[in-house]
Formats: sequence, structure tokens, C-alpha cells
Amino acid sequence: SQQGEEDPQALSIQEGENATMNCSYKTSINNLQWYRQNSGRGLVHLILIRSNEREKHSGRLRVTLDTSKKSSSLLITASRAADTASYFCIGFYNTNAGKSTFGDGTTLTVKP
Amino acid sequence: NAGVTQTPKFQVLKTGQSMTLQCAQDMNHEYMSWYRQDPGMGLRLIHYSVGAGITDQGEVPNGYNVSRSTTEDFPLRLLSAAPSQTSVYFCASSWRQDSSREKLFFGSGTQLSVL
Repeated sequence: SQQGEEDPQALSIQEGENATMNCSYKTSINNLQWYRQNSGRGLVHLILIRSNEREKHSGRLRVTLDTSKKSSSLLITASRAADTASYFCIGFYNTNAGKSTFGDGTTLTVKP
Repeated sequence: NAGVTQTPKFQVLKTGQSMTLQCAQDMNHEYMSWYRQDPGMGLRLIHYSVGAGITDQGEVPNGYNVSRSTTEDFPLRLLSAAPSQTSVYFCASSWRQDSSREKLFFGSGTQLSVL
């Protein structure tokens, strides 16, 4: 079974609202990354947070990491219709650089 | 730079056939990996490589082989295709995953159907 799990699996909001997605993992990680996927296309990197960091910002994105709870959250502020996509987290193992695990993803729908 | 190039984009196989999915990157990345994505699910790691001549298994390696003879190429071989291998396959690459540049670059995917 996959170690990463996103919550919620699906999220529908109005344009301008904030969207929060959560990710949990079971193995100690070196870094955790968030990706976006549009309609089955390739994934695009959004933001990376390292195990010694607690919060990071990039534009309208804010990611937090709680290593004690083995969880991360991605916040998208002031959402736009163009943010409609699936969002995945991926954690890279601390003890085996290269091994990783993806979550099942959150499908975000932003209504205009 | 072309980034990560995957071929073919679509493939239909019969059960028992073998084939190779190609993946090439021109960014001199040390790390390369293969994932499969099934409907409504995330990506599962099949195999990965941290450098030429070095490969290791991911979560779902059975039925697949890889090799890494050059830094640029990381082909994925299906030995004897089964319907359970129907999926979308993604190749990705990055610099070392324990460095300051771990962002993954993904190919556009190969949609494989096994009948």
C-alpha cells in the first residue's frame, strides 16, 4: 500500500476561496514535494520542503511540514479556475535517497 | 533542452508480448525513475536509478526490468505483458535526491493497454 495519503480526495470551491490539502506519510523523509497534474498529463513541480523546515511559501502557495505527525499541508490562496487539477505529495525516504512514495492525490475543482 | 522525453506516447500490446518504454533526459540528471499511474490513483514507483550502472526496486517492480548504461537513458522493459500492466507510465529525473536540487522533471507519459 502507498505510504502517502492525501486528504481530502476531492475538493470543490469557488474562485477566490482558499484550498487546503493534507498529506500524511509513514516513513521518515528527507524532503516532501508537491506536484500538480492537469487531466492525466505529466506532473509539474510546485514546491519542496525539507525535513528540517516547517513552513515554506511560493507565490499563492504555502506548505507546512510536521515531522512529528508525519504530515504536510498545501494551502492555495485566492484560488482561480486555472488551479483546477489534481495535486499530489511525494516524500523521499531519509534512509534511502531515491526511494519515494506518492499519495493518491486531491482533485481540486475551482468554480468560476 | 528537450527535458524528459518518453516514447511511445501510446501502445497496445497483447498478453505475453514484451516491449521497452524509452526515457531520455538531456539535463545531466543523476536520478531517474519510473512510475505507473492507475485511474484515480497516485503514482507508484516501479524502479529508480541514482546513477549510471545503479538501479533499485520501488514499490511495484514485478514484471518490469530496467537498466542504466548511460546517464541519459533509463528504459523500462515489460518482460511478458499482462492486463494488470495496463496503465499510464511516467518517467522522471532530477539531480541527486539528497542534494539541494531535488525537483523532479516528468515526461509526458506513455499510455499502455494490454489486451
